Amino acid sequence: DGGITQSPKYLFRKEGQNVTLSCEQNLNHDAMYWYRQDPGQGLRLIYYSQIVNDFQKGDIAEGYSVSREKKESFPLTVTSAQKNPTAFYLCASSPWDRATDEQFFGPGTRLTVL
Amino acid sequence: QQQVKQSPQSLIVQKGGISIINCAYENTAFDYFPWYQQFPGKGPALLIAIRPDVSEKKEGRFTISFNKSAKQFSLHIMDSQPGDSATYFCAASDQGGSEKLVFGKGTKLTVNP
Repeated sequence: DGGITQSPKYLFRKEGQNVTLSCEQNLNHDAMYWYRQDPGQGLRLIYYSQIVNDFQKGDIAEGYSVSREKKESFPLTVTSAQKNPTAFYLCASSPWDRATDEQFFGPGTRLTVL
Repeated sequence: QQQVKQSPQSLIVQKGGISIINCAYENTAFDYFPWYQQFPGKGPALLIAIRPDVSEKKEGRFTISFNKSAKQFSLHIMDSQPGDSATYFCAASDQGGSEKLVFGKGTKLTVNP
């Protein structure tokens, strides 16, 4: 099966702890993205990466960090500096190509910080 | 700064009716306008998309209408079905494709049987 996997589906952490969310894709896409989804807020871009070993901040990068050491992997770390980390996190990928019509999304990880 | 404004926030339609969701934008550099559909607990999936060289695009029961001068675009769902009940997001990009999408806040559609 081709697609994007995110793990785990549900994640609970204590306040003050860093947590890393996994995102893997086997679509051979160059670009990968992380979004945060809150009720009534739509999808807000956290970070994106066009190519291995390069990534850019999105609209709400504060309190988050990413790495892109492999084309197929783009993990997101939610640090203790993120003031309100409880949310639904979505990873996506696409070819970095003006003709591309679609970002493909993973199933998401729901993070709850207690 | 909200670059894509979506309305209504929620919509209830009877089975067989027409569902209409509207989006407006300010950035005239936007040149790609997709709509995504999301079911509860799942990631969004592309439903239909349009580029500004056409004013309308239809795929089955789903139609995008695009008004470049008004900087507005809308999604019409004809013969709405209970299975269409989901959250719909409009989006826009100035990259010509799916790179760096800016999303609206979403519309929760409920289609009653």
